Amino acid sequence: QQKVQQSPESLSVPEGGMASLNCTSSDRNFQYFWWYRQHSGEGPKALMSIFSDGDKKEGRFTAHLNKASLHVSLHIRDSQPSDSALYFCAASEQGMGYKLTFGTGTSLLVDP
Amino acid sequence: EAAVTQSPRSKVAVTGGKVTLSCHQTNNHDYMYWYRQDTGHGLRLIHYSYVADSTEKGDIPDGYKASRPSQENFSLILELASLSQTAVYFCASSDAYSNERLFFGHGTKLSVL
Repeated sequence: QQKVQQSPESLSVPEGGMASLNCTSSDRNFQYFWWYRQHSGEGPKALMSIFSDGDKKEGRFTAHLNKASLHVSLHIRDSQPSDSALYFCAASEQGMGYKLTFGTGTSLLVDP
Repeated sequence: EAAVTQSPRSKVAVTGGKVTLSCHQTNNHDYMYWYRQDTGHGLRLIHYSYVADSTEKGDIPDGYKASRPSQENFSLILELASLSQTAVYFCASSDAYSNERLFFGHGTKLSVL
């Protein structure tokens, strides 16, 4: 069973719209979460991390973590065509950031 | 920006043959990793290393060996390549501190025929 599950598998939003991606862990030991983004033909690139309950905002990106439900989300406001990519959620146990477990990804398409 | 370089960018191998994928980082990072990417599975950790001359098994190490001859270089070795090892392989590096971000290379597309 996949320990880190993402939804939806794919998502399409209009340019300027809000994209919302979800991630849920089935392993209660996972306490640290990352969002990575991968453009076609490239390696994944870290977007942001979240380790504490609540919201964390970086520019147009906001991550939200609920540790009780092991649910983390990523919201992208004012979506741009350049945001079209594969987004991965990744999780690790406390003190074991070197052993990230990745989800299967959400493919985001932003229509110009 | 931290730099991780993989070679080759793509490779076609025959079943049963030996394949070596190479990775070089100029970030002065202690940790290096090998992941494979398959549709429907995301990224899965094969091997990692936190110091030269030492490697650790990840989540899917079977059929793979790793070598870390120096801090900068990390290789993934498939002694007997199989069809199921067709995938895209990514090398990454990160600093020694826990929960630091990973810096990935551009990937190696391996096709085993």
